[in-house]
Amino acid sequence: AQSVTQPDIHITVSEGASLELRCNYSYGATPYLFWYVQSPGQGLQLLLKYFSGDTLVQGIKGFEAEFKRSQSSFNLRKPSVHWSDAAEYFCAVGHNTDKLIFGTGTRLQVFP
Amino acid sequence: SQTIHQWPATLVQPVGSPLSLECTVEGTSNPNLYWYRQAAGRGLQLLFYSVGIGQISSEVPQNLSASRPQDRQFILSSKKLLLSDSGFYLCAWSVPNTIYFGEGSWLTVV
Repeated sequence: AQSVTQPDIHITVSEGASLELRCNYSYGATPYLFWYVQSPGQGLQLLLKYFSGDTLVQGIKGFEAEFKRSQSSFNLRKPSVHWSDAAEYFCAVGHNTDKLIFGTGTRLQVFP
Repeated sequence: SQTIHQWPATLVQPVGSPLSLECTVEGTSNPNLYWYRQAAGRGLQLLFYSVGIGQISSEVPQNLSASRPQDRQFILSSKKLLLSDSGFYLCAWSVPNTIYFGEGSWLTVV
């Protein structure tokens, strides 16, 4: 069955620290992979996406993600977190947008 | 550039009352349109999607319905709301392979 797992429900980091949010998927074919961010009470904003090619993808706001086929992972990283990065982050996989599968999200808290 | 508008932003409705959430997209034609629901502490659940006027696919059986009366308009409705319909509803549109979301509508059924 196709699924997305975000193992960390809640992560807390200090401002300026590095960040890695985990995403593992189960999918029959090479999927399209996405990371979205949601600020409280807001819609979802696309951070980055991977379809093919270079497995290290650069996104907005200084985020990047690396597709690792052997580990079925697409982890999101940022070298130095800012207080404004506090939000909920969703990983999603699919091959057609009408069948996009979302993870349950990771809530990021940033301490000054 | 493309924009998506969704309203109302917040809604408090009594059980048994009707519902209408509207969504319009600007700057594109013939988009795929979606309604998602996000319950507290959960991920996103796809409710409906539409590939064209009058074409609606439902992902889960529920107390809700959707309609697409115009190319860039998508409406989520209910005749009688249940408490379990409370949640955050997101309209979205897509270009090939990428979905973009509106700002969402908070629905509280009391």
